Amino acid sequence: GNSVTQMEGPVTLSEEAFLTINCTYTATGYPSLFWYVQYPGEGLQLLLKATKADDKGSNKGFEATYRKETTSFHLEKGSVQVSDSAVYFCALSGYTGRRALTFGSGTRLQVQP
Amino acid sequence: ETGVTQTPRHLVMGMTNKKSLKCEQHLGHNAMYWYKQSAKKPLELMFVYSLEERVENNSVPSRFSPECPNSSHLFLHLHTLQPEDSALYLCASSQGSSGFYEQYFGPGTRLTVT
Repeated sequence: GNSVTQMEGPVTLSEEAFLTINCTYTATGYPSLFWYVQYPGEGLQLLLKATKADDKGSNKGFEATYRKETTSFHLEKGSVQVSDSAVYFCALSGYTGRRALTFGSGTRLQVQP
Repeated sequence: ETGVTQTPRHLVMGMTNKKSLKCEQHLGHNAMYWYKQSAKKPLELMFVYSLEERVENNSVPSRFSPECPNSSHLFLHLHTLQPEDSALYLCASSQGSSGFYEQYFGPGTRLTVT
């Protein structure tokens, strides 16, 4: 079946540092890949997505590239801000007959001033 | 209102109570979902509805009973819950249920079972 593995947090960075949150997946076929973000006290929001190999999703300075050869979809940002502090979830969907997303366990990011 | 709304935002209930969670989406979507988010565990899919028909039930205990009267509304009826059911319950919707459509989430209902 499908699965998503994320690096464990929390990840603690200083403002303006470079961010990488690793995500690898196991899936049959050609899944779509997503990053969701959850700010404190809120639900999940779609941050970016990629639907085929070598696609790059980007939003709000965050980027992730769909790497089929390494089955990865790592999230990156060149310069984080305090307001980026949140929990980030990697997720996938695909041809498994399962009608919803498979989520990773989430990675908490804490950005200090 | 826009997006996906959930009420109540917080709920405290005893193990013998009966309560309901409500979700409403204003996006014109055809599929709706209930997820459970517990501390330090991945999101758990509970139920999926597509065009008001339940299409997936992930072995959820019968003390959770979903209802989807139309494509805009989704309920989760709760009765005789256990303390381990305390969690954040998230509702989501999407344009279709194939899994390729991005899902839009509500803010969640924080449930505490005492």
